[in-house]
Amino acid sequence: DAGVIQSPRHEVTEMGQEVTLRCKPISGHNSLFWYRQTMMRGLELLIYFNNNVPIDDSGMPEDRFSAKMPNASFSTLKIQPSEPRDSAVYFCASSLFNEQFFGPGTRLTVL
Amino acid sequence: DQQVKQNSPSLSVQEGRISILNCDYTNSMFDYFLWYKKYPAEGPTFLISISSIKDKNEDGRFTVFLNKSAKHLSLHIVPSQPGDSAVYFCAASPLNTNAGKSTFGDGTTLTVKP
Repeated sequence: DAGVIQSPRHEVTEMGQEVTLRCKPISGHNSLFWYRQTMMRGLELLIYFNNNVPIDDSGMPEDRFSAKMPNASFSTLKIQPSEPRDSAVYFCASSLFNEQFFGPGTRLTVL
Repeated sequence: DQQVKQNSPSLSVQEGRISILNCDYTNSMFDYFLWYKKYPAEGPTFLISISSIKDKNEDGRFTVFLNKSAKHLSLHIVPSQPGDSAVYFCAASPLNTNAGKSTFGDGTTLTVKP
């Protein structure tokens, strides 16, 4: 298995632009997680899905952030409009039981 | 309210010696505990776990100890190697979690000096 796949690996954009991050979980996993890692806040859980249904989005910082999981093999995290303080590494992870498998992350820079 | 705490942001040890990374938790509903290792520019990877019915779990050079009464766990790496230099995250979840949701600590950066 290829593991969790994230794209793009790096994204540089200007303030105000829309950003879409993509994730393909491991086949057969039924939970998907979006995290953000910054120096100040460590590893923050933004939202997680179970069987494609959003279960807990309390970590989503603002309405500018939205996430979807239209099917078991694809999820997106969208930021619209983006701001410089959104600059961070965003990780997607999937799981079947307690252990999570993380993707390589997307490094987002908002200028 | 941080439910999982790793109070040491960093730790430096000499190659061949023991590394001990600590983690404290506050939620008594946590029943399952995991350690992840993260190298720069990569996602965290699962290292070792322990459930609350045990007080020790061993995998090669890595041993996790759990003290439920103290709500404390620790990861021991013996002997430490330079390749172990990474950020280590402690995570905790209720055993009957909604498929894998865990609460993570802020991580401890381990540096193993040759």
